[in-house]
Amino acid sequence: QQQVKQSPQSLIVQKGGIPIINCAYENTAFDYFPWYQQFPGKGPALLIAIRPDVSEKKEGRFTISFNKSAKQFSLHIMDSQPGDSATYFCAASGMNTGNQFYFGTGTSLTVIP
Amino acid sequence: DAGITQSPRHKVTETGTPVTLRCHQTENHRYMYWYRQDPGHGLRLIHYSYGVKDTDKGEVSDGYSVSRSKTEDFLLTLESATSSQTSVYFCAISHRGGLNTEAFFGQGTRLTVV
Repeated sequence: QQQVKQSPQSLIVQKGGIPIINCAYENTAFDYFPWYQQFPGKGPALLIAIRPDVSEKKEGRFTISFNKSAKQFSLHIMDSQPGDSATYFCAASGMNTGNQFYFGTGTSLTVIP
Repeated sequence: DAGITQSPRHKVTETGTPVTLRCHQTENHRYMYWYRQDPGHGLRLIHYSYGVKDTDKGEVSDGYSVSRSKTEDFLLTLESATSSQTSVYFCAISHRGGLNTEAFFGQGTRLTVV
């Protein structure tokens, strides 16, 4: 059973557009929600993370929006660039959910110049 | 980059043969994980370790075993490789498990079972 559901599976945007990737979870014990970015041939790397006590977090052009009541969170990429083309994974973890991270299925983003 | 080395980086093996993948870390992190990545499935946890000789199963552990005899090394063994185990395998490390902390990933091992 997928603990974290991610959509869309793939996304194509023009340079300068704002791609949005959505994730949803059911387990209310999750209290840490990171996003990972993966380039071809590389391992995933932490991009940005949020805790449920805030509704939004920005780091550069990347923003996480968090809706605790809906149990949803999303990644927005402002002014997207071709170099942002990668696969993005959302994830969730928590103190009482085992010593592991639960990943979404990934979104392949292509930014067209 | 975090000090994680996976070996080998690529391997082709025959069905029915045992295969061992190695993950070596220089960060002295307590937690180590093995994931497999497949199209449409994302990253799925195979096994993880929370200390020397302490391991637990993940979501897709059937057909795999692990061992951790030293803090820095975490081995993943495919006991009798099958074509369904063709995948990219990633090792990850974490200082405090899932507790509000980053997981660092290795570069991956591409395994092909023919």
